[in-house]
Amino acid sequence: QSALTQPASVSGSPGQSITISCTGTSSDVGGYNYVSWYQQHPGKAPKLMIYDVSNRPSGVSNRFSGSKSGNTASLTISGLQAEDEADYYCSSYTSSSTLSPYVFGTGTKVTVL
Amino acid sequence: QVQLQESGPGLVKPSQTLSLTCTVSGGSISSGSYYWSWIRQPAGKGLEWIGRIYTSGSTNYNPSLKSRVTISVDTSKNQFSLKLSSVTAADTAVYYCATEMATTYYFDYWGQGTLVTVSS
Repeated sequence: QSALTQPASVSGSPGQSITISCTGTSSDVGGYNYVSWYQQHPGKAPKLMIYDVSNRPSGVSNRFSGSKSGNTASLTISGLQAEDEADYYCSSYTSSSTLSPYVFGTGTKVTVL
Repeated sequence: QVQLQESGPGLVKPSQTLSLTCTVSGGSISSGSYYWSWIRQPAGKGLEWIGRIYTSGSTNYNPSLKSRVTISVDTSKNQFSLKLSSVTAADTAVYYCATEMATTYYFDYWGQGTLVTVSS
């Protein structure tokens, strides 16, 4: 199956809000509420930030929020901080393959100006 | 809290088999309903799901790698393992082990990752 499409980069100034999109198809993002988002700092493992489209795990700042419309999911970071500078990946359950239930996004580099 | 730690050779020769182990601590690999997954990331690139094994031993593999991948579990050591055969330079990546609860579709715990380079 094809990777979900994310913008290569998004930037913003401290305190601003930014939104990262994640576009798939009706077989993945659009068909199920199983979109998750991961933050990855250089040299580190990914960290779960959002699951099931809009739920935050315990300990994740409420500055991070998720939503979905049609085949596109979005991650919004409000009150942007220097520590938010990282790569972000979306992931979704997919029914396009009976063997592989997951598809990841292409990744977005967030830069804090 | 579950913790995962990958281990294995950092250098593998082309055409050989890559073997990695993930040691689970903070919980039993055989208790509860969990999937134990392998995910990789080539340098500067995105994440690729390789496959997973369920607590019962059943497996799912990425179709693009299925013919070369085997994931197994050793409950006595609280470990699960990845074997990837006939490797090429394209298999050079950081390999992560991760876990997800059954009936969920997200990875809540990850290992720190281990770099495997395929080179002669």
